[in-house]
Amino acid sequence: GQNIDQPTEMTATEGAIVQINCTYQTSGFNGLFWYQQHAGEAPTFLSYNVLDGLEEKGRFSSFLSRSKGYSYLLLKELQMKDSASYLCAVRDENYQLIWGAGTKLIIKP
Amino acid sequence: IAGITQAPTSQILAAGRRMTLRCTQDMRHNAMYWYRQDLGLGLRLIHYSNTAGTTGKGEVPDGYSVSRANTDDFPLTLASAVPSQTSVYFCASSPTGQGNDEQYFGPGTRLTVT
Repeated sequence: GQNIDQPTEMTATEGAIVQINCTYQTSGFNGLFWYQQHAGEAPTFLSYNVLDGLEEKGRFSSFLSRSKGYSYLLLKELQMKDSASYLCAVRDENYQLIWGAGTKLIIKP
Repeated sequence: IAGITQAPTSQILAAGRRMTLRCTQDMRHNAMYWYRQDLGLGLRLIHYSNTAGTTGKGEVPDGYSVSRANTDDFPLTLASAVPSQTSVYFCASSPTGQGNDEQYFGPGTRLTVT
């Protein structure tokens, strides 16, 4: 079966750095996405990785290791507005997205 | 209209009733999707359409049907609603559904079946 695993919840302090991990087992791999979802809102795109390595975009970075079936999202200089759920999704061999249940990130002052 | 819209925003529906959730996008995207999101579970794909005139089944299609008569609209119909269909429904679109295409999501419809 296809499976995406993420921690259910994480807590971090404003101004700090947090790493959210995602491991996956899917039928085929055509890229990995990270989305942000604030409570009661729609998911919005953060990043895309298809090759191994780190993609940096401002305060957010995403890393991929295809051989390990592993990715992480790194958030630096945390702000209160970063409190949200972070969703990991893998595009499978049929080009459909398989989604993790999401990691709820709580930022404390 | 800017982006992707859904209607209604929320709905309480009696079991056994028929309901159509509407989704419209103005980005001329070829691919469209319907997901449901339940607490503790990831987004689950119900149906998708890679281009106008074609549709396909996702992970959880039973009890739902879709049509794609044109590029902009992708309605989702519940023929006879059951309480297990209580969920938040998101419509999404992407330019082609391939490569690094991101999916753009509508605001969602919160459906309660009683």
